[in-house]
Amino acid sequence: DAKTTQPNSMESNEEEPVHLPCNHSTISGTDYIHWYRQLPSQGPEYVIHGLTSNVNNRMASLAIAEDRKSSTLILHRATLRDAAVYYCILRDGYGGATNKLIFGTGTLLAVQP
Amino acid sequence: GAGVSQSPSNKVTEKGKDVELRCDPISGHTALYWYRQSLGQGLEFLIYFQGNSAPDKSGLPSDRFSAERTGGSVSTLTIQRTQQEDSAVYLCASSLAPRGADTQYFGPGTRLTVL
Repeated sequence: DAKTTQPNSMESNEEEPVHLPCNHSTISGTDYIHWYRQLPSQGPEYVIHGLTSNVNNRMASLAIAEDRKSSTLILHRATLRDAAVYYCILRDGYGGATNKLIFGTGTLLAVQP
Repeated sequence: GAGVSQSPSNKVTEKGKDVELRCDPISGHTALYWYRQSLGQGLEFLIYFQGNSAPDKSGLPSDRFSAERTGGSVSTLTIQRTQQEDSAVYLCASSLAPRGADTQYFGPGTRLTVL
C-alpha cells in the first residue's frame, strides 16, 4: 500500500483557516485520498475524500496537487471542536481483497482560543 | 439514523480470562471491520467481513483472537486467555460497499483493560 507522510503536529488559532498537508509520492492512479479525524476519546470519523479534482463538503475542502503526489486538507475556520488527530489515508479504488484503512501517525491539530 | 454501536463501552478483566466484544453495524452495511488502538499507538486493522465471503483475518495478532459475524449483521470479537498487552480500545466500523471511495463509520469503541 502506498504510504503517506504528515507533520506530527500543527497549531492554529480559533476562527482562522488551517491547511493540513499530506505527501503521498508513491500514489497509484487508482488510489483515492481519504481524510479521517479522531477527536479525543472517540472513534475516527470521515472528513472528506477525493481522486483527482478538488473537493468541498460541509466539513472541509480537499486540494489535490496536479501530479497527485500531495494534498491539503483545508478547514476554513477552525473551531475548538476541530482539535483532533487528522489522518490522510490512501485507498485502492478497485477495492481489492479488503478495504482496511491503514492509519499512520496523523497530524495532531491544536486549536488555540 | 442509528450509527455503529459497541458493547460494552468498558471492560476490565483479569489476565487469562476470555472476553467477548460486540459490534452492531449500521443496518444494510455489508462490510464490517475491527481495529484496535493501544495506548500511544496508532490504529491497527484486525479483521474484515464482507457479505458471505471468507473474512480477511490478516491483522489478527495471535490465534487467541477470533471474530464472527452472524447473519451478516452483528459481530463478536473474542479474545481468549487475555494478556496485559491486549489492553486497548477496540473499534468497529462498517461501510455500505467495500470500494475505495466508500466511507467507514466507526463506533465509539470498547476500552479493554487487562489486569
